[in-house]
Amino acid sequence: GAVVSQHPSRVICKSGTSVKIECRSLDFQATTMFWYRQFPKQSLMLMATSNEGSKATYEQGVEKDKFLINHASLTLSTLTVTSAHPEDSSFYICSAREPVNYGYTFGSGTRLTVV
Amino acid sequence: AQTVTQSQPEMSVQEAETVTLSCTYDTSENNYYLFWYKQPPSRQMILVIRQEAYKQQNATENRFSVNFQKAAKSFSLKISDSQLGDTAMYFCAFMKPNNNDMRFGAGTRLTVKP
Repeated sequence: GAVVSQHPSRVICKSGTSVKIECRSLDFQATTMFWYRQFPKQSLMLMATSNEGSKATYEQGVEKDKFLINHASLTLSTLTVTSAHPEDSSFYICSAREPVNYGYTFGSGTRLTVV
Repeated sequence: AQTVTQSQPEMSVQEAETVTLSCTYDTSENNYYLFWYKQPPSRQMILVIRQEAYKQQNATENRFSVNFQKAAKSFSLKISDSQLGDTAMYFCAFMKPNNNDMRFGAGTRLTVKP
């Protein structure tokens, strides 16, 4: 089946630095990918929709300058958390629409800790 | 905007028993897709079952089945012969065909007890 690979699985960074998370579709092309954020014991909240070759669409309340999304190819979308603060610590998950069936396939997630 | 409601934050079931997780949603659309995803402690989202709104027949995947009531906007998940490996968070999700984005309920934490 369709596989989405997400790296890194865990990252610790210092306040004020930036960290990049990669999301790759391994065996299919994904013109659209999605980035979610999940707080402990809570649901997935859509942050933005990443469109290949164009600007990402951000959900209301998500700072586009803090969460930079780049979708430069049909198989790779990146989320960069800029000038990270402890409140950015969270679990980030990417997904892409399945190429054949309807629905999403998800990456394994990235646990970001800002110290 | 579409909303998805899961009214059971936590549930537990004895191994080999049957449990039903509830989900309701709100939409003005006639055609859409509904999903149940499982998130075990590894936090990998795993598709359990999906349903197309225009199909009246309830979807079934082995021990997992749904009761889709379109008029009532209800989409419950039944897990039969519960296994310890079923312990996880379960999320109900809604997606419009052309909208691309998927919206999730708050989740139900299911614990299967030996």
